[in-house]
Amino acid sequence: DQQVKQNSPSLSVQEGRISILNCDYTNSMFDYFLWYKKYPAEGPTFLISISSIKDKNEDGRFTVFLNKSAKHLSLHIVPSQPGDSAVYFCAASALEGAQKLVFGQGTRLTINP
Amino acid sequence: GAGVSQSPSNKVTEKGKDVELRCDPISGHTALYWYRQSLGQGLEFLIYFQGNSAPDKSGLPSDRFSAERTGGSVSTLTIQRTQQEDSAVYLCASSLGAEQIGQKFFGPGTRLTVL
Repeated sequence: DQQVKQNSPSLSVQEGRISILNCDYTNSMFDYFLWYKKYPAEGPTFLISISSIKDKNEDGRFTVFLNKSAKHLSLHIVPSQPGDSAVYFCAASALEGAQKLVFGQGTRLTINP
Repeated sequence: GAGVSQSPSNKVTEKGKDVELRCDPISGHTALYWYRQSLGQGLEFLIYFQGNSAPDKSGLPSDRFSAERTGGSVSTLTIQRTQQEDSAVYLCASSLGAEQIGQKFFGPGTRLTVL
């Protein structure tokens, strides 16, 4: 049973436009959410996170939105740059078992020049 | 280097053989994690070490899987009697402490192929 789902395996966006990556979860106990970025042949790197007490967190070009009632989060990248092309994973954890991040399947983002 | 390193980067083995995967965490990081990513799947938690505490093994898929962490640093993940479904990329991560949920630093992974 996939507790964290990224329903779009791939996304293509024009350079300079906004990229929106979506993630849905089913476990209402999740209270901390993260986005990781992964380049080929490298491990995932932490990008941005959000606690369930917030509905938005912003860091430069990256903004994460959380809609707890819909059990949905999204990552916005604006403006998109060619270096943003990578696989993006969303992940979630619950206070109990906080070390066990549950990851989505990933979305491959391609930024076209 | 300063990052998490893993070896080997690729491992091809025959069904039924045992394999050992190694992880060198970032120096000073007390928490160490193993995850795996099967084709088309997200990262799946396997095991977590924190300092001298007993490891959290709740993610290990079967008793063929085991891991140890010697001296609070290097970790080895062992898979006995490998099966084709064990084929995946095995990722190791470390963090400064258990409280840093997000700040896990991942290694590049070991791609395991079981023929």
